[in-house]
Amino acid sequence: ILNVEQSPQSLHVQEGDSTNFTCSFPSSNFYALHWYRWETAKSPEALFVMTLNGDEKKKGRISATLNTKEGYSYLYIKGSQPEDSATYLCASYYSNYQLIWGAGTKLIIKP
Amino acid sequence: KAGVTQTPRYLIKTRGQQVTLSCSPISGHRSVSWYQQTPGQGLQFLFEYFSETQRNKGNFPGRFSGRQFSNSRSEMNVSTLELGDSALYLCASSLDRGGSEAFFGQGTRLTVV
Repeated sequence: ILNVEQSPQSLHVQEGDSTNFTCSFPSSNFYALHWYRWETAKSPEALFVMTLNGDEKKKGRISATLNTKEGYSYLYIKGSQPEDSATYLCASYYSNYQLIWGAGTKLIIKP
Repeated sequence: KAGVTQTPRYLIKTRGQQVTLSCSPISGHRSVSWYQQTPGQGLQFLFEYFSETQRNKGNFPGRFSGRQFSNSRSEMNVSTLELGDSALYLCASSLDRGGSEAFFGQGTRLTVV
């Protein structure tokens, strides 16, 4: 059974601080890694889709890296703002068409 | 471009009844996936349809079923409802089966009483 692990489960960060969290996934038959942001009372929204080892993607203050050989991805948030408070989900897609979701990292920004 | 549309948004049903939820994907998207979210839980994958075929199924009982039509619209059916089926049901569509990002609908909030 494929399992995607996200750590930490939750995180409290002071406004203005930078933070990062991890998504670990099985690397066999890997095809793509997705990151989503899920704000309370809204639907998940895609942040990044990455496929290649060494990929780095950036959107504003948020960036992500991918290591397909060792099976992990990092999400970085620089200078956290209250609007960054959300649950960040990663999902790993495999060549057998399975998209496996992690349980998410809940990020709370303290003003 | 219209987003993913789920209907109805809210639903209250009685134990033992059945329910059908609908999802209209973004135009051109052929993959539709369904998820259940309960309080304190993440996204629990139900099933995924691509070109009218169920290609993946999560670990849910047979009371949960779905289908996809030729226009890519999808329905999800839950029979013999139980109290534990109360949840937010989300559907997501994408261009293909996983290489591209998923776009989520607003969800259907199902309450079983």
